[in-house]
This record gives sequence, structure tokens and C-alpha cells, in this order.
Amino acid sequence: NAGVTQTPKFRVLKTGQSMTLLCAQDMNHEYMYWYRQDPGMGLRLIHYSVGEGTTAKGEVPDGYNVSRLKKQNFLLGLESAAPSQTSVYFCASSRHPNQPQHFGDGTRLSIL
Amino acid sequence: AQTVTQSQPEMSVQEAETVTLSCTYDTSESDYYLFWYKQPPSRQMILVIRQEAYKQQNATENRFSVNFQKAAKSFSLKISDSQLGDAAMYFCAYRSAGDKLIFGTGTRLQVFP
Repeated sequence: NAGVTQTPKFRVLKTGQSMTLLCAQDMNHEYMYWYRQDPGMGLRLIHYSVGEGTTAKGEVPDGYNVSRLKKQNFLLGLESAAPSQTSVYFCASSRHPNQPQHFGDGTRLSIL
Repeated sequence: AQTVTQSQPEMSVQEAETVTLSCTYDTSESDYYLFWYKQPPSRQMILVIRQEAYKQQNATENRFSVNFQKAAKSFSLKISDSQLGDAAMYFCAYRSAGDKLIFGTGTRLQVFP
């Protein structure tokens, strides 16, 4: 079982560049989430989706956009990358908000 | 707003011994869920154990158990018979019914042979 797959695993960007992180899940989950993890902090929610075609803001949404055009995919976009967005990004999915979330392996993103 | 506090940045335990990781949370709600996640050096987030607030019985999963004290808003994780593979970051997380997960800052557990 693939579970939750994140692409890419590592990326280095220059300030001002744009990029998209892809999250794909094969568990037919309705709910999907994007988190960032910074040193000394727990995971913080960026955006989430409660179903195909829906998105909502989390705790730290500024500088990011998301799209959920297909149920199995949740894209996280950085339009103009900033050094403050250097972080490890995790995608997660769940069948129901009260069910445990399944996490991808993370994407390490460095912005110079 | 709900908050989750893990007051132990680092803990260590000898192999085969028992260790308890602390977690407290703040909420005004009565219906919620609590989780412990493990993050080894591989970076994967792995669910260790889950507790529903309406259940009085403490959750147990093999060597992992929790001490859930609802009135005190405390949710500690006990690892028995510690193994080298238990070394990881452990995150406590809170979720109210239908809402988002809120994570603590984590506790790094070292296991010594």
C-alpha cells in the first residue's frame, strides 16, 4: 500500500521562485491536510480540504495556496518563495476528521 | 483556543526500562480526541495511540499505554520495556470533534543500551 505519497522529497529554491508540492493518497480519504514542521515546534496546519473541490485555511496559511481538483491529490503552492518558508512539509489524509491522520514522508524545502 | 503543552524537550531511558512522557492541554470542550505520534529520524509520522475523551478507560497498544486524566487535562504516554527502536520524537496532539489537529512541540526520547 502506497498510503500518502509526497513529491518531491527534497528541493532547494531561490527567493522569489515558485513551486508546487504534490500530495497523493490512495485510501479514498475525504480529508487532506498540509503541515509545516520547524525546529523546536510541532506541526502547524497550513491549509486543509474536507473534500474534492474544497479548501480551507489553517493556522499559518499566508504565502501558500492549495488546490484539490481530484479527491486523491492535494497540491500546495508557493507563488514567491521566501527564506521563512524553509521547512519540512507534511501532507496527511484521513477518512473522517475524528479518524487518525495518515502522514506522508515529508518534503524538505530550503529557500536561499 | 486549544493548546497542547509538552514540557519535556528531551527524555532518556535505558533499554528494557519504563519511561513516561508528559502532555497537558487546554480546552473548554468536553468532546475531543487525543493522540500520540512518533517521528523517528526517517521523518515519518506514525500514530502510536489514540484516546477518545468520552472513554474513561485508558488506551493501550502493546507496550504503549496512556494515563488520561480528563479533569486535570493531562495525557501522558508510558512506554514499557523500552527498545532501541523507540528512540524518536514523540508528539502529543489534540483534536476537538470535527476540527483540526493541534500538536505539541514534541519530546525527543533517547534509548540507551
